Amino acid sequence: EVQLVESGGGLAQPGRSLRLSCVASGFTFDNYAMHWVRQAPGKGLEWVAGISWNSGYIDYADSVKGRFTISRDNAKNSLYLQMSSLKTEDTALYYCVKDLSADNVWGQGTLVTVSS
Amino acid sequence: DFQLTQSPSSLSAFVGDRVTITCQASQDISIYLNWYQQKPGKAPKLLISDASNLESGVPSRFSGSGSGTDFTFTISSLQPEDIATYYCQQYASLLRTFGGGTKVEIK
Repeated sequence: EVQLVESGGGLAQPGRSLRLSCVASGFTFDNYAMHWVRQAPGKGLEWVAGISWNSGYIDYADSVKGRFTISRDNAKNSLYLQMSSLKTEDTALYYCVKDLSADNVWGQGTLVTVSS
Repeated sequence: DFQLTQSPSSLSAFVGDRVTITCQASQDISIYLNWYQQKPGKAPKLLISDASNLESGVPSRFSGSGSGTDFTFTISSLQPEDIATYYCQQYASLLRTFGGGTKVEIK
């Protein structure tokens, strides 16, 4: 069974950092691009960042560019999102997503709350 | 960047009605468009990929069409279990984008 399990969410103060992790199973992780998508409470879906299978191509939403860093470790079947200089508007449920193309799988999400 | 404009943002229809949602891309995205259904507290569920390809197990009352910049998602006969928010999403580039969503309710 294809599965994505996120972790690392929690409460952080504005300006602080948080690192999200996602462990994949049930598919050949290093064959696929991976993405982070977030959803603020009561709001729509927002793509955050994506990384190609070999980390050779990375891109970010303008809202997080310069503050967030996406990375992956194919040996550990893991995806990461290092979030720095957090803002209250970063409060959201963060999903790890396989491929986000015609064949995609979503984790259940990890909640990040940024508040003083 | 490929921006997606989805409309309407919400709609209310009777059970059995035909429901149509549109998604317009700012640039040509070929057929690289997904449609999702999201119910409260759940992760989005992929219904249609490649603009018109119905995912396995998805009821045939759901359909999608279009290419280039203009796309349409249709529920041919709205059912009570279709109450949800629907999103389009493009994958023409690594920088993915979502439409703003359409909340579907029953009259």
